[in-house]
Amino acid sequence: NAGVTQTPKFQVLKTGQSMTLQCAQDMNHNSMYWYRQDPGMGLRLIYYSASEGTTDKGEVPNGYNVSRLNKREFSLRLESAAPSQTSVYFCASRALLGTGELFFGEGSRLTVL
Amino acid sequence: AQSVTQLGSHVSVSEGALVLLRCNYSSSVPPYLFWYVQYPNQGLQLLLKYTSAATLVKGINGFEAEFKKSETSFHLTKPSAHMSDAAEYFCAVSNMNRDDKIIFGKGTRLHILP
Repeated sequence: NAGVTQTPKFQVLKTGQSMTLQCAQDMNHNSMYWYRQDPGMGLRLIYYSASEGTTDKGEVPNGYNVSRLNKREFSLRLESAAPSQTSVYFCASRALLGTGELFFGEGSRLTVL
Repeated sequence: AQSVTQLGSHVSVSEGALVLLRCNYSSSVPPYLFWYVQYPNQGLQLLLKYTSAATLVKGINGFEAEFKKSETSFHLTKPSAHMSDAAEYFCAVSNMNRDDKIIFGKGTRLHILP
């Protein structure tokens, strides 16, 4: 069982470059999420998708875009990377609205120089 | 809007001692509450969850948490700490509305002293 798979696991960018973080889940979950984790800040929600075809902003959406390509895949795009976006990014999925727990990927460590 | 406050960014306990990690939440509607654990360089895994059934919830690895509505708290406890419990712990809240956000606290790093 792969669960939630994120790629790439590590990436170094220069300021102004763009990139896309890919996430796929094989658990037939409806909801998918992108979080960023920074020391002392916990996990902050960037965007989420409650179902295929819908996306909503979380706590810190500025500088990011998302695409829910299909039920399995939810990508996060940085159009013009900034050093403040240096972080560890986690994708997660969830089976049931309201009660289901999140299942997390292993994370993607992004450094913006 | 929901929010979560975890008191103490770092907690140290001796091996064999009681573990108590504090979590207070704010929610305008009845909440669902979660505790997650993160070991170094790994993703997060669920310890336990409260979904309006029993107020005392038992999780994996001997952890449990009690939902107290009057105190808006969901503190995590374990009677006897083990070295393998050293990790970062996150409390999270979700509401039962169609708005499907899950909001996390800032985390508490648990250190176990030999």
